[in-house]
Amino acid sequence: QKEVEQNSGPLSVPEGAIASLNCTYSDRGSQSFFWYRQYSGKSPELIMFIYSNGDKEDGRFTAQLNKASQYVSLLIRDSQPSDSATYLCAVNRLGSNDYKLSFGAGTTVTVRA
Amino acid sequence: DAGITQSPRHKVTETGTPVTLRCHQTENHRYMYWYRQDPGHGLRLIHYSYGVKDTDKGEVSDGYSVSRSKTEDFLLTLESATSSQTSVYFCAISLDRGETQYFGPGTRLLVL
Repeated sequence: QKEVEQNSGPLSVPEGAIASLNCTYSDRGSQSFFWYRQYSGKSPELIMFIYSNGDKEDGRFTAQLNKASQYVSLLIRDSQPSDSATYLCAVNRLGSNDYKLSFGAGTTVTVRA
Repeated sequence: DAGITQSPRHKVTETGTPVTLRCHQTENHRYMYWYRQDPGHGLRLIHYSYGVKDTDKGEVSDGYSVSRSKTEDFLLTLESATSSQTSVYFCAISLDRGETQYFGPGTRLLVL
């Protein structure tokens, strides 16, 4: 079982719609959760992080965390063509020596005009 | 890219040659990381550093070594490059343990 799993996509949504991305993780001891966006040929850039159960909103982005279900999601409201990218879920946990950040393989999102 | 540069940005080399990639940060962050990114595998940690001369292995460290002689510089060395090390390499930094990681622009390495 992979530590962090995401649907690879591609997820195609019309402009203006809501894109919903899901991520599950295997380690119940995971403590912090991150969403990165990566445009083709570019480096990952942080969208947002979440530590506590519930929702966290930042502009058009909402992260949702449910630790009991080991599930974190990202909603993109009013999707724009500029949101077309691969979205990486990352989960931080304290390992034997230090914190370890594990990444999912990413979900590719295409916003069609 | 949060004050992080990587050099070179692109490199083509031959199997068996040594290769060194450099990561330089201007943020004075304590932690620095080297990842590789391959299709279907996502980002995988190679090595990381938690201070000058303090380094540790990640999940895919075989064939790689690192050094950190200054806070701002973290070097990744492939002692004898193999075709399986063809990848995109990203450096990342974080202020401290468990903190958010910020990524450099990446280095595309092709080993022929």
